[in-house]
Amino acid sequence: NAGVTQTPKFRVLKTGQSMTLLCAQDMNHEYMYWYRQDPGMGLRLIHYSVGEGTTAKGEVPDGYNVSRLKKQNFLLGLESAAPSQTSVYFCASSQARDSVEAFFGQGTRLTVV
Amino acid sequence: DQQVKQNSPSLSVQEGRISILNCDYTNSMFDYFLWYKKYPAEGPTFLISISSIKDKNEDGRFTVFLNKSAKHLSLHIVPSQPGDSAVYFCAAKGGDDKIIFGKGTRLHILP
Repeated sequence: NAGVTQTPKFRVLKTGQSMTLLCAQDMNHEYMYWYRQDPGMGLRLIHYSVGEGTTAKGEVPDGYNVSRLKKQNFLLGLESAAPSQTSVYFCASSQARDSVEAFFGQGTRLTVV
Repeated sequence: DQQVKQNSPSLSVQEGRISILNCDYTNSMFDYFLWYKKYPAEGPTFLISISSIKDKNEDGRFTVFLNKSAKHLSLHIVPSQPGDSAVYFCAAKGGDDKIIFGKGTRLHILP
């Protein structure tokens, strides 16, 4: 059982380039989340989704877009990467409203030069 | 403004003793609180949670206490073991379904 899988695991981008991070979960979870982790800042919520076709903004949504076209996938897009988006990105999923445990992927380390 | 605060960036505890990690929150609408553990180069893993209607939840060596009037929760680890050395994140979930995390506390278990 793979759980939550993030693709890619590492990436280096040039400023202004675009890319999409893929999160896939095989647990049939309704809720999915994207976070970024920066030194001294903890985990900050970028966007999240409470079901297929839905998305909502988190704490730091600027510069990112997301899509949840299929229940098992949650995509995070950077349209024009900036050095400030250098971070480790984590995706998580959870079963439903009252199932508070969220399962995390292994992370994607993104460097923007 | 930070809604979930972990004011101690790091904590060192002797092996076998009790580790106490603290967390404060500002939003009274949070209805679940969670603790996660994170090793380097890995994703966070869930440890234990507590509903806002309870004041204590226990799972093996881990106990979480919630003081709603003080908007404070704590995680107790007894006894502390070398494998407990990690970063611990406090998180909170409210009616809008966001899970908001604190900045984390790095726990060092000393031999």
